[in-house]
Amino acid sequence: QQQVKQSPQSLIVQKGGISIINCAYENTAFDYFPWYQQFPGKGPALLIAIRPDVSEKKEGRFTISFNKSAKQFSLHIMDSQPGDSATYFCAASKVYGQNFVFGPGTRLSVLP
Amino acid sequence: GAVVSQHPSWVICKSGTSVKIECRSLDFQATTMFWYRQFPKQSLMLMATSNEGSKATYEQGVEKDKFLINHASLTLSTLTVTSAHPEDSSFYICSARADSGQVAYNSPLHFGNGTRLTVT
Repeated sequence: QQQVKQSPQSLIVQKGGISIINCAYENTAFDYFPWYQQFPGKGPALLIAIRPDVSEKKEGRFTISFNKSAKQFSLHIMDSQPGDSATYFCAASKVYGQNFVFGPGTRLSVLP
Repeated sequence: GAVVSQHPSWVICKSGTSVKIECRSLDFQATTMFWYRQFPKQSLMLMATSNEGSKATYEQGVEKDKFLINHASLTLSTLTVTSAHPEDSSFYICSARADSGQVAYNSPLHFGNGTRLTVT
């Protein structure tokens, strides 16, 4: 019940295309859902996050879509660029919670 | 923005020696910090939760005597890998969450840039 599932494991997209990464969770106590971006040899960096009281959040080219009833959320990267090539992790945490549960990650490659 | 500094960024040590990794929150206080281990092309595995002024909480399967954690101040946590062996070679990452006056709201988890440990 603590797991966060993430797909696909890897993704190849042409420059200018849309990258879509999906995550699903089981624990309904989760109420904070961030996405992290990690480049090789670096720590993860917060990209965008959402709470379940909204169904969508957009920041620049990055959009989170959230479906509370399905317990799913996804990251959309519009106009994908080669600089977006990285590993993306979705995560979830509980109200008052301390730790995050991370998905297994998606390796995104954007071809020039 | 909140910055977490981790040092060193890489270290090579001989088998049997101990290595200390520091994690500092530079512009915020963090009562709690987290230590992760990450294997190549895999997700982050939580090793332990570091609590300022008290003992760390270790995840199942993580040896407390092997991975010593000290959180002596609100801005510094250290992880010491004792008697390191080649199988301890990995990427270690710390993270911290800014304490707020209101416990109720989740705040972002900020990560350090990681430490690449190689034990020869």
